[in-house]
Amino acid sequence: EVQLVQSGAEVKKPGESLRISCKGSGYSFSNYWITWVRQMPGKGLEWMGKIDPSDSSTDYSPSFQGRVTISADKSSSTAYLQWSSLKASDTAMYYCGRHYMIRGVNFYYFDYWGQGTLVTVSS
Amino acid sequence: QPVLTQPPSSSASPGESARLTCTLPSDINVGTYNIYWYQQKPGSPPRFLLSYYSDSDKGQGSGVPSRFSGSKDASANAAILLISGLQSEDEADYYCMIWPNTASGVFGGGTKLTVL
Repeated sequence: EVQLVQSGAEVKKPGESLRISCKGSGYSFSNYWITWVRQMPGKGLEWMGKIDPSDSSTDYSPSFQGRVTISADKSSSTAYLQWSSLKASDTAMYYCGRHYMIRGVNFYYFDYWGQGTLVTVSS
Repeated sequence: QPVLTQPPSSSASPGESARLTCTLPSDINVGTYNIYWYQQKPGSPPRFLLSYYSDSDKGQGSGVPSRFSGSKDASANAAILLISGLQSEDEADYYCMIWPNTASGVFGGGTKLTVL
């Protein structure tokens, strides 16, 4: 069974750093891109960026470039989203999603999702 | 990044059809993009519904009923999600998405569908 399991909720102060995780299981992790999506309270979905775990190449939305870092560890089948200095405006639910792949080609939609990680940044 | 415009809300009665739109900015042509539709219910991650490029190039998400279908209105430069035979369980938020290039995706603002 394919699963993406995200790390638990976090409460942080502005200026602190944070790394949240998304662990894949039930499939060959390296073969499937992982995307991260933000959802601020009561708001819509925002695509943040994606990673190809096979070579750790990344793409970012211009809105998030330089604000977050996406990484992956093939050995543990885990993707990460990290901040070096959180702001209150980073308070949101963060989802990871697996890109659909067939015959070695990744497609641009997400067939499995993590359960979400709620990040709260407050002084 | 282009802005995809979705009406904030829509409503219809059970058994009726709901037509949700996703309008692209005038400088990009809906005909040249795959449109992806997602459904999100409160407290849950999104769920992939379908992709639509043309009637001959489309795909349905796993387990998604055929009463969910996609189309395009070229005259309005819009993508359409049609939900026929509405059921109470269809009440959710619906998001469209495109990839203006292979390196960046964009969601629409979402439409909250109420089944009256």
